[in-house]
Amino acid sequence: DSGVTQTPKHLITATGQRVTLRCSPRSGDLSVYWYQQSLDQGLQFLIQYYNGEERAKGNILERFSAQQFPDLHSELNLSSLELGDSALYFCASSARGDSLANTGELFFGEGSRLTVL
Amino acid sequence: QKEVEQDPGPLSVPEGAIVSLNCTYSNSAFQYFMWYRQYSRKGPELLMYTYSSGNKEDGRFTAQVDKSSKYISLFIRDSQPSDSATYLCAMSAGRGSTLGRLYFGRGTQLTVWP
Repeated sequence: DSGVTQTPKHLITATGQRVTLRCSPRSGDLSVYWYQQSLDQGLQFLIQYYNGEERAKGNILERFSAQQFPDLHSELNLSSLELGDSALYFCASSARGDSLANTGELFFGEGSRLTVL
Repeated sequence: QKEVEQDPGPLSVPEGAIVSLNCTYSNSAFQYFMWYRQYSRKGPELLMYTYSSGNKEDGRFTAQVDKSSKYISLFIRDSQPSDSATYLCAMSAGRGSTLGRLYFGRGTQLTVWP
């Protein structure tokens, strides 16, 4: 168990709908990352938050947004869903703090599997 | 061209075999190199971490980084059925909290049969 909790584990919805994925990082971890894993693209970085602020942005669509709350949990909002958005969405958190001692180890949750029909 | 290339396999070997997994990359800014293991229906977990070039050994696992060739490898000695998983290479150019922005290979699916 990585200590990172993601809900829901599975989600089936229709095109055009909006969903929210939730992530609770490991206790004390300040950074939260969202990754998308699909068969054709592999694991793709979406966005990173550090202590409530957006720190880095990757290949995240404009239809997607995220935020990190004061209690450090994070939500990824996916709107106007398309068939191609079907994927596994992983949340990860990193070791405490923000220093070069950070080994870059990410602790991944078990993912939220989104199916868009 | 993707920044990180990895042969997806699948790779099937008998128990006890030596397994070699490889990735190539194009971004010379990458300084941190990792191997993650992902079991079916689970999230990836860090297996090996290397900074810059060189070798690192941990039990049956050895990671090698050759920055001049932009090539990294993971060797598994005396492979076991429990090693059956997807192995993902990952790299980062960032520092501090942005170390977590990783660029992943697509993963190599490994099966070790008894």
